Amino acid sequence: QVRLVQSGTEVKKPGASVKVSCTASGYTFSGYYIHWVRQAPGQGLEWMGWIHPSTGDTVYSQKFKDRVTLTRDTPITTMELSRLESDDTAVYFCALAPPYTHYFNYWGQGSLVLVST
Amino acid sequence: SYVLTQPPSVSVAPGQPARITCGGNNIGTNSVHWYQQKPGQAPVLVVYDDRDRPSGIPERFSGSNSGNTATLTINRVEAGDEADYYCQVWDSASDHHVFGPGTKVTVL
Repeated sequence: QVRLVQSGTEVKKPGASVKVSCTASGYTFSGYYIHWVRQAPGQGLEWMGWIHPSTGDTVYSQKFKDRVTLTRDTPITTMELSRLESDDTAVYFCALAPPYTHYFNYWGQGSLVLVST
Repeated sequence: SYVLTQPPSVSVAPGQPARITCGGNNIGTNSVHWYQQKPGQAPVLVVYDDRDRPSGIPERFSGSNSGNTATLTINRVEAGDEADYYCQVWDSASDHHVFGPGTKVTVL
């Protein structure tokens, strides 16, 4: 079955960078997209961007485009967020979108990133 | 950028239907997807492309989309349906994915 397994909790200081990984299994990677979505405590879902694991193509949300980098070493995709602020404290999810679709049918378990002095 | 609106909360008695709306400019021309999220868990897709259900999602969950409003309907609501529900679309103009602010469904 399809599984997305993410790396664990990270605690970082303001100004630092963080990397969160997502390891996929159980499906044929061709054509699928891996998206990243975050959720601040008590808040809603916020889309950050996607990467095509086969080609390495990326699209980033305008909000994050100067600070986020998505990379892949299939089956692992990594989200790096730089210049962290306290507002970046959130659970970060990777999610899978099937080819030619715009919905997310599988999600990772989430990774907590805590930004604190 | 494209903006989606949802009511913050919906309360419903067990066995009754719950209707959760998602508003957006001409949203009827977009495909709308719906997610259920329970506390401490990842979201789960419950409806995609306006009205289709992934395998394993009960038929009690249905969707519609027209004009400026999309709707997720949960028929014969059960205690286990208590969760936050988010709508989501892809905005072709910006190539961005957008989520609604979420609706908390409370089963009385």
